[in-house]
Amino acid sequence: QKEVEQNSGPLSVPEGAIASLNCTYSDRGSQSFFWYRQYSGKSPELIMFIYSNGDKEDGRFTAQLNKASQYVSLLIRDSQPSDSATYLCAVNMVTGGGNKLTFGTGTQLKVEL
Amino acid sequence: GAVVSQHPSRVICKSGTSVKIECRSLDFQATTMFWYRQFPKQSLMLMATSNEGSKATYEQGVEKDKFLINHASLTLSTLTVTSAHPEDSSFYICSASPSSGVYNEQFFGPGTRLTVL
Repeated sequence: QKEVEQNSGPLSVPEGAIASLNCTYSDRGSQSFFWYRQYSGKSPELIMFIYSNGDKEDGRFTAQLNKASQYVSLLIRDSQPSDSATYLCAVNMVTGGGNKLTFGTGTQLKVEL
Repeated sequence: GAVVSQHPSRVICKSGTSVKIECRSLDFQATTMFWYRQFPKQSLMLMATSNEGSKATYEQGVEKDKFLINHASLTLSTLTVTSAHPEDSSFYICSASPSSGVYNEQFFGPGTRLTVL
């Protein structure tokens, strides 16, 4: 089992729809969880992070965390073509040691006109 | 806030030469910086963790004598690819974790694209 698992996609959604990106992780003791966006040929950009169970909203983005199910998701409301990118889930795992982040392989999102 | 710069953004060199990449946190202090490598259409691969004033911690399979890391201050880390070969061609990205951060968030530099001829 991979430590941080994401569906590689591509996930295609029409403009204006809600995009739902999912991530599962193996280390039950993980403390904090991050979503990064990476455009092709560019470096990752931090969108938001979450550390408590429940929802955290920031503009059009909502992160959801369920530690019991070891599951974290990112919802993007009113998806725009400019949201088309690869979304990386990252986890600060206790077994990783210190402050390393373990990244998933990313989900490619395509927002279609 | 939380801006990380990298220099150079792109470098082309001949096989056998050494290349130095700088990573700077511009508006915060970073006790820890990280170096990643990313090949086309693949995920980020952590190469090493760099702590200010101490030796870097390398991930398994990464040659510490080939990829020299120096973290001389709280705002600067450098990666030197020694005796570069074509297989070292990749996208090298650094990240920095604020010393004041609680949740170990990392902010990434824009990356350095290395091409070894």
